[in-house]
Amino acid sequence: EDQVTQSPEALRLQEGESSSLNCSYTVSGLRGLFWYRQDPGKGPEFLFTLYSAGEEKEKERLKATLTKKESFLHITAPKPEDSATYLCAGWDSNYQLIWGAGTKLIIKP
Amino acid sequence: ETGVTQSPTHLIKTRGQQVTLRCSSQSGHNTVSWYQQALGQGPQFIFQYYREEENGRGNFPPRFSGLQFPNYSSELNVNALELDDSALYLCASSSSRSNTGELFFGEGSRLTVL
Repeated sequence: EDQVTQSPEALRLQEGESSSLNCSYTVSGLRGLFWYRQDPGKGPEFLFTLYSAGEEKEKERLKATLTKKESFLHITAPKPEDSATYLCAGWDSNYQLIWGAGTKLIIKP
Repeated sequence: ETGVTQSPTHLIKTRGQQVTLRCSSQSGHNTVSWYQQALGQGPQFIFQYYREEENGRGNFPPRFSGLQFPNYSSELNVNALELDDSALYLCASSSSRSNTGELFFGEGSRLTVL
């Protein structure tokens, strides 16, 4: 069965303290791996799509990487406004997204 | 460019009632999908509409149904509401002409079933 697992469930960092979020996946015929950001009470906001192992993409303080089994979202020198829940999703062979439960990131000033 | 809009933003219903949620897709997008997101969980795929037809469905019972209109807007209907239906319902639009799979989400409709 296709599955996406994110860890940790929650992560508290001090402002400026870099870290990484993990997304492990078993998705048959993976077409792509998506990262979204979700603020409380809002819909998810697209960040990145990665299509093949070894691919990396960056946006401001965020960098996403992909291997054959997992993806990492690296956050460098985070700011309080980076606090949100980060969701990853695998795009399967039926063009459906299989979502993880998310990592809640809290950046303290 | 108009983004995805959903209505209502919040609503409260009682068990057994019926609810209709509405979604206007982003300009230029012809595909709409609906998701249910329980608190602390990732979105769960309900179904997708393209050209006014359902063309994909997740593991949800038939009391969850939908429509897509010629202008690509969409409705999600839920009959015989249960307590477990309490969740954030998200609508996402995309274009069949895009091969990126990227979805654009609305802000959701928060449904509480008492």
